[in-house]
Amino acid sequence: EAGVTQSPTHLIKTRGQQATLRCSPISGHTSVYWYQQALGLGLQFLLWYDEGEERNRGNFPPRFSGRQFPNYSSELNVNALELEDSALYLCASSLVNRAFSGANVLTFGAGSRLTVL
Amino acid sequence: SQELEQSPQSLIVQEGKNLTINCTSSKTLYGLYWYKQKYGEGLIFLMMLQKGGEEKSHEKITAKLDEKKQQSSLHITASQPSHAGIYLCGADSKAGGTSYGKLTFGQGTILTVHP
Repeated sequence: EAGVTQSPTHLIKTRGQQATLRCSPISGHTSVYWYQQALGLGLQFLLWYDEGEERNRGNFPPRFSGRQFPNYSSELNVNALELEDSALYLCASSLVNRAFSGANVLTFGAGSRLTVL
Repeated sequence: SQELEQSPQSLIVQEGKNLTINCTSSKTLYGLYWYKQKYGEGLIFLMMLQKGGEEKSHEKITAKLDEKKQQSSLHITASQPSHAGIYLCGADSKAGGTSYGKLTFGQGTILTVHP
């Protein structure tokens, strides 16, 4: 069974540009999560998508956005890139939906490293 | 919002030694997850604890959730170089029995094991 796959592995952009990161969840998983792991800041929750809708959002500005497609894959868009957006962006998937109350084991991808120059 | 504090922030041990990593929450833990990360890579799920007093083991790693459900510990017995990496605890944020679908993570503990 294929795990969570992310692309690209590495991405280099300059300030002001836009970046698009992609994620394919484990087959059968309907929820996709995006996390940012910046140096010294730990793992920060960005976005949660389930069944094509945004269900929860972390404390990030609106220039961080995304969507989930009918096949449950997802993309994260970061507009007007700033130097501090340089980080490892991790995608995870699970079977949880917004009404679920129980274990929520997230399976993570290997990440996309975004460097903003 | 819930905050998780891990201690120590980093740990250097000699191969064969035992070690413990702690994770303390500012609020009641409804689900506590332990992950391991190799530098610059994704997270690998280790164990999940939900009930106060619960203890789980896998190979040489044991995780416990205290009775009050505000602290968890991860214990590695007879450490090996393969145990090296970053250990992160993550917690479910729940209210009224409904998951908000995100995990809050601690800052991580960097473990180095010298052969």
